[in-house]
Amino acid sequence: QVQLQESGPGLVKPSDTLSLTCAVSGYSISSSNWWGWIRQPPGKGLEWIGYIYYSGSTYYNPSLKSRVTMSVDTSKNQFSLKLSSVTAVDTAVYYCARLIAAYWYFDLWGRGTLVTVSS
Amino acid sequence: QSALTQPPSASGSPGQSVTISCTGTSSDVGGYNYVSWYQQHPGKAPKLMIYEVSKRPSGVPDRFSGSKSGNTASLTVSGLQAEDEADYYCSSYAGSNNFVFGTGTKVTVL
Repeated sequence: QVQLQESGPGLVKPSDTLSLTCAVSGYSISSSNWWGWIRQPPGKGLEWIGYIYYSGSTYYNPSLKSRVTMSVDTSKNQFSLKLSSVTAVDTAVYYCARLIAAYWYFDLWGRGTLVTVSS
Repeated sequence: QSALTQPPSASGSPGQSVTISCTGTSSDVGGYNYVSWYQQHPGKAPKLMIYEVSKRPSGVPDRFSGSKSGNTASLTVSGLQAEDEADYYCSSYAGSNNFVFGTGTKVTVL
């Protein structure tokens, strides 16, 4: 079955860049779908970060756009997130998910990874 | 864009029904039939329960139903069961390739 798995450092220093990767198994990332990142601060709600197509096209949440970069590596069947100039407010569980863009919903999610921003 | 508004909590006894509202604007919920609902148990990833306002993915019990009127969407859980106790989030397309989630509702089974 299709699985998504986030990976990356669990601790990032303030002002540094957060980097995460989402490995997709059981499904080719090059098939027609978009791939997204969503985050959830501890005890709070979900926030959409952005999404990327296998060709590299991207759309970012306007509130994070200046700090977000997403990329895709079809040879490794994975996509990545970089968030620059992080502060404590960026501490959250980060999820990757498959976006069915034609109808605007995320149908498959990774288990999530907690990233803490602290010195 | 601002988060969609949901009540912080809702509750019901086993077997009863509970309805959660999700209020947006004409630029998101009211403007598109692209409202979805997610269930999240503590420490777990969200799970898709409803998409396109009222459609259920395979495997989701028909106790879960969705609807929309104007700028407000609703999720109804009928015949509440203990395993339905979770947080629920709505989401909607907001135009111009933007997306927005709701504030979340904690459902308690009494």
